[in-house]
Amino acid sequence: RKEVEQDPGPFNVPEGATVAFNCTYSNSASQSFFWYRQDCRKEPKLLMSVYSSGNEDGRFTAQLNRASQYISLLIRDSKLSDSATYLCAVNNPNQAGTALIFGKGTTLSVSS
Amino acid sequence: DTEVTQTPKHLVMGMTNKKSLKCEQHMGHRAMYWYKQKAKKPPELMFVYSYEKLSINESVPSRFSPECPNSSLLNLHLHALQPEDSALYLCASSQDPSKQGTFYGYTFGSGTRLTVV
Repeated sequence: RKEVEQDPGPFNVPEGATVAFNCTYSNSASQSFFWYRQDCRKEPKLLMSVYSSGNEDGRFTAQLNRASQYISLLIRDSKLSDSATYLCAVNNPNQAGTALIFGKGTTLSVSS
Repeated sequence: DTEVTQTPKHLVMGMTNKKSLKCEQHMGHRAMYWYKQKAKKPPELMFVYSYEKLSINESVPSRFSPECPNSSLLNLHLHALQPEDSALYLCASSQDPSKQGTFYGYTFGSGTRLTVV
């Protein structure tokens, strides 16, 4: 089992749709979870941290399920500008400090 | 200042060249990272510096040599690279790694797109 796995997509949705991505991780000792957004040929940018109780930032909701070892990202009312690749990142508890392992990313394409 | 600045943005080098990538941050972060990202792949960790000391080397070939002159700067020295080393090289920083309970993730620089010919 790979350390961090994501469905690569692409997810093609119309404007206004709700879309959800999942990301599974293999090490149950991981403690830090993030969603990053990466536009084509750009650097990843932090979208949101994922907290145990779940958290929301505008149209974006992130959740953590420790029992099943996955995190999710829900995007409501999709905008054209949401089109990007969404990377999940999980800390590697086998390494000291804050080394993050990234999933391969899920590509979202929002169309009008 | 909430940015990580990387230079150069683009670099083309021959296999016998020596070049350096530079990264600078002024956010007071004490951990800095080098990642390599190839097209349609996730960023892969290369090196981690914590308090200016190398803490993680992910079995990176010696043709890549990191250096952390001070808490704000991180360099990656390149020598005798191969064409398969062509990639986007990303620098990142994060806050005090000893405070893992309040780890807020990385800030990435815009990267150096490296082409080895």
